[in-house]
Amino acid sequence: DSGVTQTPKHLITATGQRVTLRCSPRSGDLSVYWYQQSLDQGLQFLIQYYNGEERAKGNILERFSAQQFPDLHSELNLSSLELGDSALYFCASSVGTSGNTIYFGEGSWLTVV
Amino acid sequence: GQQVMQIPQYQHVQEGEDFTTYCNSSTTLSNIQWYKQRPGGHPVFLIQLVKSGEVKKQKRLTFQFGEAKKNSSLHITATQTTDVGTYFCAGPAPNSGYALNFGKGTSLLVTP
Repeated sequence: DSGVTQTPKHLITATGQRVTLRCSPRSGDLSVYWYQQSLDQGLQFLIQYYNGEERAKGNILERFSAQQFPDLHSELNLSSLELGDSALYFCASSVGTSGNTIYFGEGSWLTVV
Repeated sequence: GQQVMQIPQYQHVQEGEDFTTYCNSSTTLSNIQWYKQRPGGHPVFLIQLVKSGEVKKQKRLTFQFGEAKKNSSLHITATQTTDVGTYFCAGPAPNSGYALNFGKGTSLLVTP
């Protein structure tokens, strides 16, 4: 158990819909990262938050957004879903922003039908 | 942008054989990390290498960081079925705090 909690574990939704994935980082970790894992693209970095502020952006689509709340939990919002958005979405956390190990949650499986 | 590449994509070995996966970055890395993801699981941190030419060992696993800090390797001696999984290398993405760019991984299958 990494200490990073993600909900829901599985989600099936229709194209065009919107979903929210939630993540609670490890106790004491200030950084939260979101990654998307698909078979053909591997682990793609989406976005990072540090202590409530957006720190870095990766390959995140405009239809996707995220935020980190004062209690440090984070949400990833995916809207206007397409079939190609079906993937495993990982949240990860670390203590700081440099030189730290990243701990992954168990992921949220999203299936868009 | 920075690319992190791994080869091979897949490797199938008999239990007891050795295994090596190679990682190459298009840019110099301040450090490199290795993760293992078991089937159906999540990536789990294995090790971080920071110094040029660094070699670290964890039991049967040997990790190396190249002199130019652009490549790395993971070698497993005498594989066991518990080594099955996908091994990822990852390096800090430029100008991104500590977000990591992951290679696509090497999937290792070990048959008894």
